[in-house]
Amino acid sequence: QQPVQSPQAVILREGEDAVINCSSSKALYSVHWYRQKHGEAPVFLMILLKGGEQKGHEKISASFNEKKQQSSLYLTASQLSYSGTYFCGTEHTDKLIFGTGTRLQVFP
Amino acid sequence: ETGVTQSPTHLIKTRGQQVTLRCSSQSGHNTVSWYQQALGQGPQFIFQYYREEENGRGNFPPRFSGLQFPNYSSELNVNALELDDSALYLCASSGSWASGTYEQYFGPGTRLTVT
Repeated sequence: QQPVQSPQAVILREGEDAVINCSSSKALYSVHWYRQKHGEAPVFLMILLKGGEQKGHEKISASFNEKKQQSSLYLTASQLSYSGTYFCGTEHTDKLIFGTGTRLQVFP
Repeated sequence: ETGVTQSPTHLIKTRGQQVTLRCSSQSGHNTVSWYQQALGQGPQFIFQYYREEENGRGNFPPRFSGLQFPNYSSELNVNALELDDSALYLCASSGSWASGTYEQYFGPGTRLTVT
């Protein structure tokens, strides 16, 4: 069961904030977030683990609500380089199932 | 630290043919996952290899098969190609889930076109 992301698309001006949501019908053990630019491979952004541990190496924050089986990615003070398609990935028996994707466009 | 590499970059095949795609995992990683990404869609999980054994499979028919070698590089083989197999094929390497290193690092992908 593929996680559902919302919104499907976001258009921002540089400096604006955005929130991308990811909902799963199954219990979540971890949620991964990736960004994919057109014609390129997905790039790891962040992982959130059950129990609250987070790993990431970009200035992006996220939340993980185990009870609601949801995660949200927070993009603050967006930059042009944030443009791309964002995917959440939910873990199921050691495998990642990617979400439906959210296309983000940041304009000057 | 070397990243994930894939070969070839692009490939054009005819329906019914067979294809082999290759992936070299990132240094220190022992798990390779393969994904199929159709245009405008998210990556779809094909299968995963951990220490040379298949460790899970998505909803893909048996004509999609794979291998992992002792150096943790991997191959994806697709037999009897169909037009719908046209897609970007991505491999991703990671440490083992058991060791707590879950992040997946993707290669640049192989663009397969079936005519």
